[in-house]
Amino acid sequence: DQQVKQNSPSLSVQEGRISILNCDYTNSMFDYFLWYKKYPAEGPTFLISISSIKDKNEDGRFTVFLNKSAKHLSLHIVPSQPGDSAVYFCAANPWGQAGTALIFGKGTTLSVSS
Amino acid sequence: DTEVTQTPKHLVMGMTNKKSLKCEQHMGHRAMYWYKQKAKKPPELMFVYSYEKLSINESVPSRFSPECPNSSLLNLHLHALQPEDSALYLCASSPRDREYEQYFGPGTRLTVT
Repeated sequence: DQQVKQNSPSLSVQEGRISILNCDYTNSMFDYFLWYKKYPAEGPTFLISISSIKDKNEDGRFTVFLNKSAKHLSLHIVPSQPGDSAVYFCAANPWGQAGTALIFGKGTTLSVSS
Repeated sequence: DTEVTQTPKHLVMGMTNKKSLKCEQHMGHRAMYWYKQKAKKPPELMFVYSYEKLSINESVPSRFSPECPNSSLLNLHLHALQPEDSALYLCASSPRDREYEQYFGPGTRLTVT
């Protein structure tokens, strides 16, 4: 049973526009959520995280929104750039502690066209 | 030094070979992880070391043997692997002040022939 779900396998956006990547989760006890970006044959690159007690976190072009009542989070990328084209993974850290396995979604492939 | 490094980048080995993967970080992180990732799938946790002690072993076959010689180094010893073990092997570590975050290395692409 998937605890972290990314229901859109792919997303296409034009350069300069907003990219919105979505993620749903089932366990209301998750402590932290994270977004990673991954290019083929490379390790995931950490982008941004959010605590379950917050509803928004922003870092440059990346903003993550958390809606706890809906068990939903989203990553906004503004403006989108061709270099943002990659697979984006949503992940949950259940306990917020070191040594805890991240629970990943299946990923969404973002394509940004110029 | 703000990164996790992994060697080798690529490895091809036969089913009777013994090889090792190496991971290194010099950021003072005390938790280190091995993940396995197959194509078009999310990473799957294999092992966790916390303060140089194995804290999680996710029912990984014994042909994979982890080792943490010191707080900066993590090895994964491989022996008698199967072709289905071919995958990207990722190492990660967590900072002490933000333990919920994990930072990944570039991975080792392993092919078992």
